Amino acid sequence: DAKTTQPTSMDCAEGRAANLPCNHSTISGNEYVYWYRQIHSQGPQYIIHGLKNNETNEMASLIITEDRKSSTLILPHATLRDTAVYYCIVRDNTGTASKLTFGTGTRLQVTL
Amino acid sequence: DTGVSQNPRHKITKRGQNVTFRCDPISEHNRLYWYRQTLGQGPEFLTYFQNEAQLEKSRLLSDRFSAERPKGSFSTLEIQRTEQGDSAMYLCASSSGGRAQHFGDGTRLSIL
Repeated sequence: DAKTTQPTSMDCAEGRAANLPCNHSTISGNEYVYWYRQIHSQGPQYIIHGLKNNETNEMASLIITEDRKSSTLILPHATLRDTAVYYCIVRDNTGTASKLTFGTGTRLQVTL
Repeated sequence: DTGVSQNPRHKITKRGQNVTFRCDPISEHNRLYWYRQTLGQGPEFLTYFQNEAQLEKSRLLSDRFSAERPKGSFSTLEIQRTEQGDSAMYLCASSSGGRAQHFGDGTRLSIL
């Protein structure tokens, strides 16, 4: 699975949009981009994933560049409960592909 | 959807003792995964099952570790002769085929 690069930490004011970047320059054609977050003392929570089109669900939007070498997770109106570590992961969904390879993620702090 | 359930949530034991953790996946999810997470790091893959078959094991899974998934339902992870370095959060996840993995809140193991 391709490696990802994320900033170590970010701050965001409550009510503003949080834009979390991720670089995955070595991503291959059949690898998806996944985002998870982990709130303190809990297991990782699935947020969203995509292949090449932008995706949106009730939690967030995922914007993937045309060359697929980077992506941005957008939390449109961040709240204090969005404070967490956010992980960007690339994963091949085909065949018997299994594991998620986590990096150290981006620690997002949402403040009043 | 009752989510992935892990028991116990916390386990404290003396070095050299054996411990066993249980994971109940989301019903009808045929894949089950075990990960380990140490402080400040992202989760690391240990092993995964498709139904009752253990299909992949990480080299992190030493011979003191064994995992089972009888009848393709719940899974157990046993650590024999625990060592200080085994102190970590042990996370279980499940998925339907290659779809998104959903995690439990983990078992935190502390070795005295």
